[in-house]
Amino acid sequence: KQEVTQIPAALSVPEGENLVLNCSFTDSAIYNLQWFRQDPGKGLTSLLLIQSSQREQTSGRLNASLDKSSGRSTLYIAASQPGDSATYLCAVTGGNTGKLIFGQGTTLQVKP
Amino acid sequence: GAVVSQHPSRVICKSGTSVKIECRSLDFQATTMFWYRQFPKQSLMLMATSNEGSKATYEQGVEKDKFLINHASLTLSTLTVTSAHPEDSSFYICSAHFGTGGEKLFFGSGTQLSVL
Repeated sequence: KQEVTQIPAALSVPEGENLVLNCSFTDSAIYNLQWFRQDPGKGLTSLLLIQSSQREQTSGRLNASLDKSSGRSTLYIAASQPGDSATYLCAVTGGNTGKLIFGQGTTLQVKP
Repeated sequence: GAVVSQHPSRVICKSGTSVKIECRSLDFQATTMFWYRQFPKQSLMLMATSNEGSKATYEQGVEKDKFLINHASLTLSTLTVTSAHPEDSSFYICSAHFGTGGEKLFFGSGTQLSVL
């Protein structure tokens, strides 16, 4: 059974700092991995999607890496801003079905 | 990008009443829709998978008679929480999936259910 774990559960950093969020999964036979952002009481915003054949994806200040063999992914946020404060979720899927297994999330607070 | 509309965004009800939540794909036909539940400070847990015109597939531990899912068309799925109790209070969120050759998955904005 696939399990997804995110470390740390919470993180507080000063504005401008670069940071890394970690995600690990137990079954390396994934179809893809996604990073989402969730604001309190809101839905999910997809940030980056990495197919199983890819090593990384970049969007603006965000860079996500995937090491399928070791069951790990990282989300790198450069030059963090207070507006980045949110919960970040990673999720994996075992096939092109849309069925996602989520980690518990990392709640990020960026202080001005 | 594609939009998934979920209504209502928030509902407060008395214990014992039933609550219906709608999930609608606005500009595409969803092959499959998913319903997730999220308790405070926990992650999203998949409740069920629904395909248009067929019975929903429920995850282990989810009561199908309590959480009724109807997927009457390719653009609409509904989740009805029957005889809601305080322990059903949670954030419910749907997602709609379509296409092949990559992930085409979009989430609704969620429904916060509070049962008094």
